[in-house]
Amino acid sequence: DTGVSQDPRHKITKRGQNVTFRCDPISEHNRLYWYRQTLGQGPEFLTYFQNEAQLEKSRLLSDRFSAERPKGSFSTLEIQRTEQGDSAMYLCASSLGRARLGIEKLFFGSGTQLSVL
Amino acid sequence: DQQVKQNSPSLSVQEGRISILNCDYTNSMFDYFLWYKKYPAEGPTFLISISSIKDKNEDGRFTVFLNKSAKHLSLHIVPSQPGDSAVYFCAASAQGGSNYKLTFGKGTLLTVNP
Repeated sequence: DTGVSQDPRHKITKRGQNVTFRCDPISEHNRLYWYRQTLGQGPEFLTYFQNEAQLEKSRLLSDRFSAERPKGSFSTLEIQRTEQGDSAMYLCASSLGRARLGIEKLFFGSGTQLSVL
Repeated sequence: DQQVKQNSPSLSVQEGRISILNCDYTNSMFDYFLWYKKYPAEGPTFLISISSIKDKNEDGRFTVFLNKSAKHLSLHIVPSQPGDSAVYFCAASAQGGSNYKLTFGKGTLLTVNP
């Protein structure tokens, strides 16, 4: 079990540029999540995949954000035309996805810290 | 509208003593609660959870208590150790197909002094 891996760990970009983050979940996990954490706040849900299907998107995810999970393995989160308000820690998590009821235990990666100048 | 509230931004305790972290929630649909611990530059790691059908769950030094009528839960760490120093997040989820979506509080920074 190598854990959830995220790349890059840090990204500094200028306003208006596009950025892309990658997440590699735990291999046997079929659910993958993106959360965002801003300073002084807890993580906030952005979106969720069951295998390759994106099943829910938060209202926090504007049209400038797009997430994919081709072949149900790794996932990418792209932000187009970045704004200073996008500066945050972007966390990826994965889970087994077998708990139809009960607690779904999420395993988080170390995150990508985005700074938009 | 903060549905999960951790009203204490920080807590400092002496090694060996009890740490009590509190969490309140407003959404009565929440029926599973989790605590996550986060060290700097790392992602949150799962610590302990509790279902709303229980009022207590224990795992080693960690115990979570749930008072459903008060919409309040607490995490007890006994005895506290310096390695417990971290940010602790309370999180909640609701059934009905959304058990994957966690709503987090803002976190409480616990410092355990040697």
